[in-house]
Amino acid sequence: QVQLVQSGAEVKKPGSSMKVSCKASGGTFSTYTINWVRQAPGQGLEWMGRIIPILGITDFAQTFQGRVTITADKSTNTAYMELSSLRSDDTAVYYCARGEDNMDVWGNGTTVTVSS
Amino acid sequence: QSVLTQPPSVSGAPGQRVTISCSGSNSNIGAGYDVHWYQQLPGTAPKLLISDNNNRPSGVPDRFSGSKSGTSASLAITGLQAEDEADYYCQSYDSSLSGSCVFGTGTKVTVL
Repeated sequence: QVQLVQSGAEVKKPGSSMKVSCKASGGTFSTYTINWVRQAPGQGLEWMGRIIPILGITDFAQTFQGRVTITADKSTNTAYMELSSLRSDDTAVYYCARGEDNMDVWGNGTTVTVSS
Repeated sequence: QSVLTQPPSVSGAPGQRVTISCSGSNSNIGAGYDVHWYQQLPGTAPKLLISDNNNRPSGVPDRFSGSKSGTSASLAITGLQAEDEADYYCQSYDSSLSGSCVFGTGTKVTVL
């Protein structure tokens, strides 16, 4: 059974960048799509983008175009999401989730706080 | 602002049936994209509840069911239980957003 384990909580300054990791354990993710979804405090789910590790293809929500980078290291079964030019409204829990259509396996979430 | 609209909240007594709507348009649900539903318990990651409009993944009780018609979809919970109190989200894709994934606005289910 595949599990997605994410990196720990971070506190960032406005204008800086963040990079969250998502490691697949109990299986390989290279043939799956890995999505990144965020949830601001008290708010709903917001899809950010995705990667197909075996192909290296990425796709992003227009909201994040130019500010987000999603990569994957097939050798370590780890996906990464980097968000730049952080603002206070980027404070959220960031999730990775497996799935091309629906998302059947979710990571544990990474809390990122952007504050001066 | 999501292109999939859900009621902010629904409530029901234990044992009752509640439904949650997910209203879209001809560029998402109406375009034939499948609808999926997620349950999010407080402080936890979302969990896939219904896939491909009406399929329950292994382990999901048959109290949960999904349907889709035209530009809308619905999630029904029959025999409401206390542990069903959670947030629920629909999810689909939208052709006007370059095929991007979209989530509904979310619905809080309260068990009275």
